Amino acid sequence: KAGVTQTPRYLIKTRGQQVTLSCSPISGHRSVSWYQQTPGQGLQFLFEYFSETQRNKGNFPGRFSGRQFSNSRSEMNVSTLELGDSALYLCASSWTENYGYTFGSGTRLTVV
Amino acid sequence: DAKTTQPPSMDCAEGRAANLPCNHSTISGNEYVYWYRQIHSQGPQYIIHGLKNNETNEMASLIITEDRKSSTLILPHATLRDTAVYYCIVRGNSGGSNYKLTFGKGTLLTVNP
Repeated sequence: KAGVTQTPRYLIKTRGQQVTLSCSPISGHRSVSWYQQTPGQGLQFLFEYFSETQRNKGNFPGRFSGRQFSNSRSEMNVSTLELGDSALYLCASSWTENYGYTFGSGTRLTVV
Repeated sequence: DAKTTQPPSMDCAEGRAANLPCNHSTISGNEYVYWYRQIHSQGPQYIIHGLKNNETNEMASLIITEDRKSSTLILPHATLRDTAVYYCIVRGNSGGSNYKLTFGKGTLLTVNP
């Protein structure tokens, strides 16, 4: 079966711009989570959605937002990009939170 | 913050068993132990999880001590492709902050030929 699909794979943006990243979970998975990975901070939780509702949010500024659609696909948006937002953004999906999460390959965002 | 302690790195010879330890002395009764690994530049991969009984799947075995304060992930016959960072994570399975994985720094396992 198809895995978690994240688009685009690579992205270069300029400071001050905004960006939208997309995640298509495994068919049937209703829980979608987003993580940021940087060399300095490692993997950090951004937010988790289940049936279009955000159930938990990590310690990130309000510039980071997300949403989930009725088909479980999810997007995350980062506004007013900063150099420090350069990172690998990972999406993970699961049938419910009680199961292991399947991660996508990520979107590599570079802010210049 | 992560509630687990893992050695930063370990080596293993190809074909031998890799035993990766994890301490989670503050684990509570309803919290599970999860293991993920991340091969360079890829997303983390779920390996196995357990509550208090030992678990085995096609990838690995998980041994949890009786007091649940520590666990060991066992890769029975390590291959070069098992070289990765292995994360031990403790989390509950219902409600609130359980809807996330808190990653620590993990253990870099290097399998040598």
